[in-house]
Amino acid sequence: DTEVTQTPKHLVMGMTNKKSLKCEQHMGHRAMYWYKQKAKKPPELMFVYSYEKLSINESVPSRFSPECPNSSLLNLHLHALQPEDSALYLCASSQGFYEKLFFGSGTQLSVL
Amino acid sequence: KNEVEQSPQNLTAQEGEFITINCSYSVGISALHWLQQHPGGGIVSLFMLSSGKKKHGRLIATINIQEKHSSLHITASHPRDSAVYICAVRLDYGQNFVFGPGTRLSVLP
Repeated sequence: DTEVTQTPKHLVMGMTNKKSLKCEQHMGHRAMYWYKQKAKKPPELMFVYSYEKLSINESVPSRFSPECPNSSLLNLHLHALQPEDSALYLCASSQGFYEKLFFGSGTQLSVL
Repeated sequence: KNEVEQSPQNLTAQEGEFITINCSYSVGISALHWLQQHPGGGIVSLFMLSSGKKKHGRLIATINIQEKHSSLHITASHPRDSAVYICAVRLDYGQNFVFGPGTRLSVLP
């Protein structure tokens, strides 16, 4: 299994909603990443988890809350988002920090 | 100046043409990745390079560490190669990648 699976594929939410994005991989990768990508721009790093511990938070607003419940799962909890948070949210994983990246297909998020 | 630059920004080719996309970077790196992103989002890692040259099917990637430059070549291009190609470098310190702005390729039948 060489896949990173993200759910849902599409999400529409209001500014007062609470929702979660889910990412799963069964490749035994120890590094997992959340990226945000706006249209026609490269991905921007949000968070990095290493061995289930948060190792990088790129000054992301607290309305985004990551969670790594186990080595295969990565969640991104969303609360009180703004319309400018609408973007494609990509999850990725790698065996180590010097290994190939595997990306999920992303969650297209629209905040109304 | 961005740490990772790509050229061209946009490229239109006829089916069958040989295509070259270039990436230059200004920082010390441990590896360089070429990524492909189709409309709709999903990103596929094509190559990871730290030296020399790699080939996979019709794709060839090269890197010159001294010149801080990498190229992605596509031989016998096909409309299904139409995508955004992104160069991403792993810094030789830290845990993050720095992404280039991407090259948008359209291959016409």
